[in-house]
Amino acid sequence: SYELTQPPSVSVSPGQTARITCSGDALSKKYAHWYQQKSGQAPVLVIYEDGKRPSGIPERFSGSSSGTMVTLTISGAQVEDEADYYCYSIDSSAKRVFGGGTKLTVL
Amino acid sequence: QVQLQESGPGLVKPSETLSLTCTVSGGSVSSGSYYWSWIRQPPGKGLEWIGYIYYSGSADYNPSLKSRVTMSLDTSKNQFSLKLSSVTAADTAVYYCARERGAGNGYDFYFDYWGQGALVTVSS
Repeated sequence: SYELTQPPSVSVSPGQTARITCSGDALSKKYAHWYQQKSGQAPVLVIYEDGKRPSGIPERFSGSSSGTMVTLTISGAQVEDEADYYCYSIDSSAKRVFGGGTKLTVL
Repeated sequence: QVQLQESGPGLVKPSETLSLTCTVSGGSVSSGSYYWSWIRQPPGKGLEWIGYIYYSGSADYNPSLKSRVTMSLDTSKNQFSLKLSSVTAADTAVYYCARERGAGNGYDFYFDYWGQGALVTVSS
């Protein structure tokens, strides 16, 4: 089955740039989307279609794609950005797949 | 503003059927522009897509759960539902309903609205 691979954890100090990667064989042909999930809350879309930002999401969140890897970048990470982040995409059979998630620590 | 709300029993016995309903407000499950989906998250673990149902009634499920999952729509109540049969402790999770929309390329999709989630525990 198709897999999206993320690092389990990323840690940065406040104000630094956090980068979370997601790799998958089909990502060169399929969009990736990113969700932020804070403790005890439902996921929230922070980036869609590789690099577009929904309204209400701070400009410090950005996304990029290169080959079979996509990257979520948080420029000047804030303490409130501490959360789990999941990439999401679709496989060749239109089955929906989430990455394993990355715990971002900002301290 | 679209809102989704899960409802259903919080405790289900092993081997029985888990049933959840998602009530949609601010949007219509009869719209052909969206797919209506279920996602779950076991305690302390990641997100797992369960499946979706479309306004036409067509559905697609995660292959790992396909034999046990049934989804349905009730357009009169603007709801969609999930049934998961023969549950075990491994099915204990927070279950989310979500709306899925098409991406700009016409063949990718992503979830734009989520419910708050409902914890379902499988235990005797």
